[in-house]
Amino acid sequence: GAVVSQHPSWVICKSGTSVKIECRSLDFQATTMFWYRQFPKQSLMLMATSNEGSKATYEQGVEKDKFLINHASLTLSTLTVTSAHPEDSSFYICSARDPAGRKETQYFGPGTRLLVL
Amino acid sequence: AQSVTQLDSQVPVFEEAPVELRCNYSSSVSVYLFWYVQYPNQGLQLLLKYLSGSTLVKGINGFEAEFNKSQTSFHLRKPSVHISDTAEYFCAVSYNTDKLIFGTGTRLQVFP
Repeated sequence: GAVVSQHPSWVICKSGTSVKIECRSLDFQATTMFWYRQFPKQSLMLMATSNEGSKATYEQGVEKDKFLINHASLTLSTLTVTSAHPEDSSFYICSARDPAGRKETQYFGPGTRLLVL
Repeated sequence: AQSVTQLDSQVPVFEEAPVELRCNYSSSVSVYLFWYVQYPNQGLQLLLKYLSGSTLVKGINGFEAEFNKSQTSFHLRKPSVHISDTAEYFCAVSYNTDKLIFGTGTRLQVFP
């Protein structure tokens, strides 16, 4: 099946710094990728939809200037948490939609755990 | 509003017993349904999905789910669970878009 990777798997940073998380589709080209956020013992909340070559579409309540998304190629999307604060600590998961398959099917990455001190 | 409800936050069960994890969704003409499993500190793995056709869907690891349109449900079942099935299970719905709406998850805990 389709494989999606994320890097890094863990990151610890100081408050005020920026952190970049990468999401890659390894064996397929993904025109659309999604970024989710998951707090402990809670469900996944969609943050934004990332489309290759265009601006990301953010969900209501998500600050686009704080969570910068770049989808510069068909296999890579990046999420940058700018000026991170402790409340940004969370599990960030990306997914990719395989354009060759059904649009409803998403393949998920293993997630990136961010801890802001 | 479009929503997914997983009524059981935790389901404890003994090994080799049957289990059912419940999922209900808000009604719509067109709906696609999914069950995902999440092991600790990992991403989500697709267990099974209903897009159309037969209402009984079989997935990986011996799981199956039945789409019931009249009851707007998509309950997940397994006739005999293993210790390795201990994980968080998420029901998700897509209303004819590529966005997924997730339920709050059910923690399945299998005891020896």
